[in-house]
Amino acid sequence: QVQLQESGPGLVKPSETLSLTCSVSGGSINKNYWSWFRQTPGKGLEWIGYIYFSGVTNYSPSLQSRVTISIDTSKTHFSLTLSSVTAADTAVYYCARLGDWNSDYGFDVWGPGTTVTVSS
Amino acid sequence: DIVMTQSPLSLPVTPGEPASISCRSSQSLLHTNGYNYLDWYLQKPGQPPQLVIFLSNRRASGVPDRFSGSGSRTDFTLKITSVEAEDVGIYYCMQSLQTPYTFGQGTKVEIK
Repeated sequence: QVQLQESGPGLVKPSETLSLTCSVSGGSINKNYWSWFRQTPGKGLEWIGYIYFSGVTNYSPSLQSRVTISIDTSKTHFSLTLSSVTAADTAVYYCARLGDWNSDYGFDVWGPGTTVTVSS
Repeated sequence: DIVMTQSPLSLPVTPGEPASISCRSSQSLLHTNGYNYLDWYLQKPGQPPQLVIFLSNRRASGVPDRFSGSGSRTDFTLKITSVEAEDVGIYYCMQSLQTPYTFGQGTKVEIK
């Protein structure tokens, strides 16, 4: 059974770069789409972007200029970087897997989430 | 972006009674393949969202059959035939027809 686990700094200074990693265990990263989401009390749940195992990416237009998602299939993880952060980027960040078309074709596996605070 | 609007935002329920949540989208979620790209997620306190319904009316693995999804194009409904205590939390609809994927505001289901 596939499991996801986010990791990274819980505190980032304004104007710096947020970097998170999502480790994939119990299954292959070499298929499916892998996404990042974030959640704040004010804006609710927000999709950040996805990466396909081949490396194809798609980002939310509102974050596109600052976000990069990459994948390391040999190390079974994918990563999120968000540059020039501000307090508005303070959130709980989740990674998730889009399930197979012939199975549960929704975001069927999620990491537990990691809280990132932007503050000096 | 496709705007998702849920109602009600708060839903007090009595165990054993039915419950229903509505979700409307600002654009049709019906793909040319005939499927509506609308999911329902339940988020319990301190947990990530969990998939309940995908493609408008398909129950995710392990989801009890008291949950059902219906609707097409811009109007969708999540129904629980007989609410149990474990069903409490915040329910979100989400469209995955086009990026950016977008969520409704959430409906908080709580026991009366």
